[in-house]
Amino acid sequence: QKEVEQNSGPLSVPEGAIASLNCTYSDRGSQSFFWYRQYSGKSPELIMSIYSNGDKEDGRFTAQLNKASQYVSLLIRDSQPSDSATYLCAVLGSGGYNKLIFGAGTRLAVHP
Amino acid sequence: DTAVSQTPKYLVTQMGNDKSIKCEQNLGHDTMYWYKQDSKKFLKIMFSYNNKELIINETVPNRFSPKSPDKAHLNLHINSLELGDSAVYFCASSQGSGGVQPQHFGDGTRLSIL
Repeated sequence: QKEVEQNSGPLSVPEGAIASLNCTYSDRGSQSFFWYRQYSGKSPELIMSIYSNGDKEDGRFTAQLNKASQYVSLLIRDSQPSDSATYLCAVLGSGGYNKLIFGAGTRLAVHP
Repeated sequence: DTAVSQTPKYLVTQMGNDKSIKCEQNLGHDTMYWYKQDSKKFLKIMFSYNNKELIINETVPNRFSPKSPDKAHLNLHINSLELGDSAVYFCASSQGSGGVQPQHFGDGTRLSIL
């Protein structure tokens, strides 16, 4: 079983719709979770972090965490073509030393 | 004013050569990392240094040797390059090594082995 799993996509949504990206992880001791956005040919850029169960909202982005189910998600409201990118879920391993374990990423395509 | 800068941006070289990639951060962070992103876009940690001390050393061939002269710099030297080393190598930094501080990435070095 992979440590952090994501559907590779592509996830195709129309402009203005809600995009829903999902991630599951295997390390029950993990306490910190991150979503990075990576445009093609560019570096990963942090867009959300979440540490407690529930929802965390930042602008058009909402991260959701359910530690009991080992599940993290990212919702993007009012999706724009500029949101088209690969979204990487990252989980901080419970072994310390800020070791981030990344999923393979979900490619999101927002079409006009 | 780039926060995490890597050089070179592109590196094309022959199999068997030795090459180095340099990374510098001006964020005042005390922890730096090297990641490898392969052709399938899977991003995997290789090494991490905290205040010049090696703290993460994943299963990486010993042809790869990181060096941190100070906490603002982390270089990666690769000996006897192989075809499988072709990838994008990202440097990153964060404040602290055991907490929840986010990591900031450089623009990457695209290494192509001929």
